[in-house]
Amino acid sequence: AQSVTQLDSQVPVFEEAPVELRCNYSSSVSVYLFWYVQYPNQGLQLLLKYLSGSTLVKGINGFEAEFNKSQTSFHLRKPSVHISDTAEYFCAVPVDYKLSFGAGTTVTVRA
Amino acid sequence: NAGVMQNPRHLVRRRGQEARLRCSPMKGHSHVYWYRQLPEEGLKFMVYLQKENIIDESGMPKERFSAEFPKEGPSILRIQQVVRGDSAAYFCASSPSTGRQETQYFGPGTRLLVL
Repeated sequence: AQSVTQLDSQVPVFEEAPVELRCNYSSSVSVYLFWYVQYPNQGLQLLLKYLSGSTLVKGINGFEAEFNKSQTSFHLRKPSVHISDTAEYFCAVPVDYKLSFGAGTTVTVRA
Repeated sequence: NAGVMQNPRHLVRRRGQEARLRCSPMKGHSHVYWYRQLPEEGLKFMVYLQKENIIDESGMPKERFSAEFPKEGPSILRIQQVVRGDSAAYFCASSPSTGRQETQYFGPGTRLLVL
């Protein structure tokens, strides 16, 4: 069965500091992985996705993620966060046509 | 190109009433997915539809819930005789085709509160 685990439920961070959100996956088939962001009271927006090729994936808003097959991880990073990055972040893996989401990581950026 | 539209954005119902949630997919998208976000439980798949067909409703409760995606008009998620446990955010997503590599585009959600 394919699934993802997000290792941190809450990540507080100061403005302009770097942030890393951790996601581990389990899969017996070729892996596709997604990161979505949910701003307060809004829907989900795709940040980036890994399908194949380069293991470093660049997304919107300065985010990037690295696919690591040996560690079965797909961690999300941003070198310098803004207040506007305060949101909930979801790692997801497709199971056929359904998305299976991790529990989410709430990022709170403080001035 | 307008994104996925959902209405209403907020819906308040009393126990026993019906809730009707609408979703208009992005233009050119014929695949619609509904997900539910319960407090403390995360996002869970409910149902996948193509025009006039339910492809997979394995995530939908067997009773009181139904979904449709008619040839014309939006997809509808219907909850009959709502109970307090139905209070949640319901998200619709759409995609132009299906497959594990496809991006699903999400609407803003309908937040249902059952009193």
